[in-house]
Amino acid sequence: EDQVTQSPEALRLQEGESSSLNCSYTVSGLRGLFWYRQDPGKGPEFLFTLYSAGEEKEKERLKATLTKKESFLHITAPKPEDSATYLCAVGKNTDKLIFGTGTRLQVFP
Amino acid sequence: EAGVVQSPRYKIIEKKQPVAFWCNPISGHNTLYWYRQNLGQGPELLIRYENEEAVDDSQLPKDRFSAERLKGVDSTLKIQPAELGDSAVYLCASSFGGGGNTIYFGEGSWLTVV
Repeated sequence: EDQVTQSPEALRLQEGESSSLNCSYTVSGLRGLFWYRQDPGKGPEFLFTLYSAGEEKEKERLKATLTKKESFLHITAPKPEDSATYLCAVGKNTDKLIFGTGTRLQVFP
Repeated sequence: EAGVVQSPRYKIIEKKQPVAFWCNPISGHNTLYWYRQNLGQGPELLIRYENEEAVDDSQLPKDRFSAERLKGVDSTLKIQPAELGDSAVYLCASSFGGGGNTIYFGEGSWLTVV
């Protein structure tokens, strides 16, 4: 059965305290792994797509990596404006996108 | 360039009443999705369109939910009659093709059934 699991469910960080969010998956026919950011009351905002193990992508303080079984979203020196829910999703060869339940990140000044 | 546009943003209705949500995808995107997101959960696919054809509606509760995408552009999702458990955010999204292509979401339509 296809499954996407994110951990931790919630994460509280001090401003400047680097950390990582995990997304583990078991899915057949992986076409891509996606990271989205979702602010309260908003729709998911696209961050990254990773297609193959070993691939890495960066955007400002965020860096996403991918292995055959999991992906990490590394946050370096986070700021309060990075507070949001981060969603991981896998795209299947059936054109279906399966989401995890997200990690709620809070960054305090 | 405009993103995915949805309306209404918020809707409160009584149970057993009908409700409809409208979506305009990003220009040129032939694939349109409707997702439902419950509080504290990730979005779950309800239906996917390739142009005007519904190619995956396996998760759409067809006894009360219906959707259409006339002319392969705008789409409407309808619930009739609404139940208390339908309270959720209904997200429209679009992409150019499916599979590993990036899917862009709208702001969502927040439904509360009382």
